[in-house]
Amino acid sequence: QVLLVESGGRVVQPGRSLRLSCAASGFSFSRFGIHWVRQAPGKGLEWVAVISSDGGTTSYADSVKGRFRMSRDNSKNTLDLHMNSLRIEDTGLYYCAKTRQEDSADGMDVWGQGTTVTVSS
Amino acid sequence: DLQLTQSPSSLSASVGDRVTITCQASKGIRDYLNWYQQKPGKAPKLLIYDASNLETGVPSRFTGSGFGTDFSFTISSLQPEDFATYYCQHYDNLPFAFGGGTKVDL
Repeated sequence: QVLLVESGGRVVQPGRSLRLSCAASGFSFSRFGIHWVRQAPGKGLEWVAVISSDGGTTSYADSVKGRFRMSRDNSKNTLDLHMNSLRIEDTGLYYCAKTRQEDSADGMDVWGQGTTVTVSS
Repeated sequence: DLQLTQSPSSLSASVGDRVTITCQASKGIRDYLNWYQQKPGKAPKLLIYDASNLETGVPSRFTGSGFGTDFSFTISSLQPEDFATYYCQHYDNLPFAFGGGTKVDL
C-alpha cells in the first residue's frame, strides 16, 4: 500500500521556525518527486514546493521562496520541509504528495493526510 | 506566473445532473492539467491527468477535455458521493498552481 505520513505540525509564533516531515512507504521512493501543498482554513489548495527524485532540484512558490527549504533522505524514505520566518499566512494544513510519474514533476497521485501548522502569537 | 481561473466557484445540482466546470489558463499549457476532487476533512484525490486521462479506479462518468488555455471537466450523471470541491492544477512550468476550486453541492 502506497502511504505518505506527515508530521511536525504545531502552534508556533510568527518569525519562528518549524520542520515538517513526510515518511513514505509502499513504493520506490527514490524514483519519484514529492510536492508540498497547503490549505489555509476554509480556503483552496496552494502549491508550495517540489523536490526531484534525487533531491538535486527544488522549486518553491513565490510566497515561501527564501524562507522554506525541502530536503530528502532516500536511504530513509523521508523528506523534510524546513520553514523559517513563519508568518500568520503560513497557517494551514500541509500535505505531502507523490508525483504521478517517475523522475517527473507532474501531478500528485498519492497524498498524505496532512499536518496542521498554526502561526499565532 | 501562470494563473488558472476556474468557474463557477460553486454550483448547486441534483443527483443525475450533468455538471461542467471550466478552467482557463493565463497562457498555453498544452495538456499539462490535472483535476482533483476533495471532500471535507479529506486529502485531494486525482481524477483526471494530462487534461483528459482517467486515473485508475475513477468512474467513467468523470471526463476532462481541452488543450492550450481552455479546459473543461464534466460529471455526466452526478452521484451522491460526487458532492465535493473540485480543483484544476497545471504543471506546464514551475511554479505550479491550482485553480480556485468549484464547490458542488445540493
